[in-house]
Amino acid sequence: SQTIHQWPATLVQPVGSPLSLECTVEGTSNPNLYWYRQAAGRGLQLLFYSVGIGQISSEVPQNLSASRPQDRQFILSSKKLLLSDSGFYLCAWNAGTGGYGYTFGSGTRLTVV
Amino acid sequence: GQQLNQSPQSMFIQEGEDVSMNCTSSSIFNTWLWYKQDPGEGPVLLIALYKAGELTSNGRLTAQFGITRKDSFLNISASIPSDVGIYFCAAYAGGTSYGKLTFGQGTILTVHP
Repeated sequence: SQTIHQWPATLVQPVGSPLSLECTVEGTSNPNLYWYRQAAGRGLQLLFYSVGIGQISSEVPQNLSASRPQDRQFILSSKKLLLSDSGFYLCAWNAGTGGYGYTFGSGTRLTVV
Repeated sequence: GQQLNQSPQSMFIQEGEDVSMNCTSSSIFNTWLWYKQDPGEGPVLLIALYKAGELTSNGRLTAQFGITRKDSFLNISASIPSDVGIYFCAAYAGGTSYGKLTFGQGTILTVHP
């Protein structure tokens, strides 16, 4: 069966420090992968998505970047964190058509201090 | 772009009451989905709807895909304390959307024992 792993679960980082969040999917190949951010327990904002290795699409301009070095690995990064980068970050995958919805990871709570 | 208008934004109910929430859009979608997010976790798929007019149940949950393909509702009967969380509607347009879902802003449900 397919599983999605996301880590770390929580992170407290100082302003100006780098960031690396990792997401991996098991039990499937060539998934579509997505990074979302959720502020204040409300709406889900799509940050990046990827339909294949090395292919990254950005939905909103921001202080973050994403990479997909392997088929089932998706990484969210920043060179210098801002206070406004705080939030709950979610990774998700689906098989490509979208018709069966996403499976989400358990999320990373990032607090920038 | 495509948007989903989800209402209500929040609900405070007594245990045992029924709950109803809905999502509307000016765009047509091929699939409607409903997710629930527990505090500190990623959203989990509750119900997926694939056909206009479809009515689907999952235990105490019932959801319908609107006949116009522009809306959906979710009902929860006889609410219990563990129903607390954020409920999101999501929809998939198909075509070249790369599997991306459009999400509503969420309904925060609080259940008082």
